[in-house]
Amino acid sequence: AQKITQTQPGMFVQEKEAVTLDCTYDTSDQSYGLFWYKQPSSGEMIFLIYQGSYDEQNATEGRYSLNFQKARKSANLVISASQLGDSAMYFCAMREGGGSQGNLIFGKGTKLSVKP
Amino acid sequence: DAGVIQSPRHEVTEMGQEVTLRCKPISGHDYLFWYRQTMMRGLELLIYFNNNVPIDDSGMPEDRFSAKMPNASFSTLKIQPSEPRDSAVYFCASLLAGIQETQYFGPGTRLLVL
Repeated sequence: AQKITQTQPGMFVQEKEAVTLDCTYDTSDQSYGLFWYKQPSSGEMIFLIYQGSYDEQNATEGRYSLNFQKARKSANLVISASQLGDSAMYFCAMREGGGSQGNLIFGKGTKLSVKP
Repeated sequence: DAGVIQSPRHEVTEMGQEVTLRCKPISGHDYLFWYRQTMMRGLELLIYFNNNVPIDDSGMPEDRFSAKMPNASFSTLKIQPSEPRDSAVYFCASLLAGIQETQYFGPGTRLLVL
């Protein structure tokens, strides 16, 4: 079974509108971390936002927020006021276990296209 | 502050040749990761180090792949001999152990094996 599922291979959003990118995860650990990365066409992986499993508040970073629903095991990324520069691949990732346990498990990504 | 540095950014080589990819992690970070990204398999962890010691190399595809970290500021990933199926983007990432432990990625090396 996939640990990280991103069900939207591609999405379109109108400039200045908000968009939600879905991510569900599967783990039996109580302590874990959830991350979102952006990969523009230039190829680099850019860290956007982090949510710890024990964090009670949803994480926010500027126009990015993470809608964390622990019981449903979902960690959706919300981008407000979309900009043309937001067009990119977006990856959800999970680190299982507490502490520096090692690697991130990535989803297959969602390609977001922002229309002018 | 300098981020993770990788070299070369692009590499084109012929099948059978040795390829060496290089990575300089963010200064002070104590974990280093090597990932491979392909269209078919997405992002996969190859190996990671903690304080220069390899911790998990279960993702290394086969004996043709080897990785070293001789000191805290340098790591290499070597493929010998290279094959066309090794064509991919190879990322290096580093993190500092703590609460959040975000991995910061380098720009990647785009490898094409002909």
